[in-house]
Amino acid sequence: QKEVEQNSGPLSVPEGAIASLNCTYSDRGSQSFFWYRQYSGKSPELIMFIYSNGDKEDGRFTAQLNKASQYVSLLIRDSQPSDSATYLCAVNLGGRGSTLGRLYFGRGTQLTVWP
Amino acid sequence: GAGVSQSPSNKVTEKGKDVELRCDPISGHTALYWYRQSLGQGLEFLIYFQGNSAPDKSGLPSDRFSAERTGGSVSTLTIQRTQQEDSAVYLCASSLGPGGGYEQYFGPGTRLTVT
Repeated sequence: QKEVEQNSGPLSVPEGAIASLNCTYSDRGSQSFFWYRQYSGKSPELIMFIYSNGDKEDGRFTAQLNKASQYVSLLIRDSQPSDSATYLCAVNLGGRGSTLGRLYFGRGTQLTVWP
Repeated sequence: GAGVSQSPSNKVTEKGKDVELRCDPISGHTALYWYRQSLGQGLEFLIYFQGNSAPDKSGLPSDRFSAERTGGSVSTLTIQRTQQEDSAVYLCASSLGPGGGYEQYFGPGTRLTVT
């Protein structure tokens, strides 16, 4: 069983703060890691992906991956009310070119950013 | 460019009827995935198509569910003899290449309600 665990929240932060979202996964062979944002009633939107240990930054978002600890996180700097959504962590067992296509999703963390 | 499109956006059907859901992937994307999301549940993998390879059907919940992909592009998910537990949002995603290391982009989904 491939488990992807996230704190369900809700996580509530004030505008301008850093929001920290965490995800752990059970399969040590996992290769690819994704963060999706899902607004209520909408489909998931890809916001970050990371394939190597370390940090990856894109604008206000930073993804952090630690394969030894089987842990991936998402930091949102200068949080805005528009960041209020559910954040889904997803894991794939394969690297580029593998046939292992399916994503394993966590249940999501609900984030609220209050003005 | 155009994203993944799905139709219909909403479908209400009576228990026991068959339904067909359609997905048009992003142009040039070779891999196509179906997931579903039930109220309060995580995203559940259903099936994955990659080029001319045999699809990964390991997530289909019963033999009432089937899917095909014609011409390497459009896909149709068929649910026969629908049950109330089939009510969910059915999400299609596509990626440029197979497996991990390629990002999956979701369509807007089809909300299926079985009465």
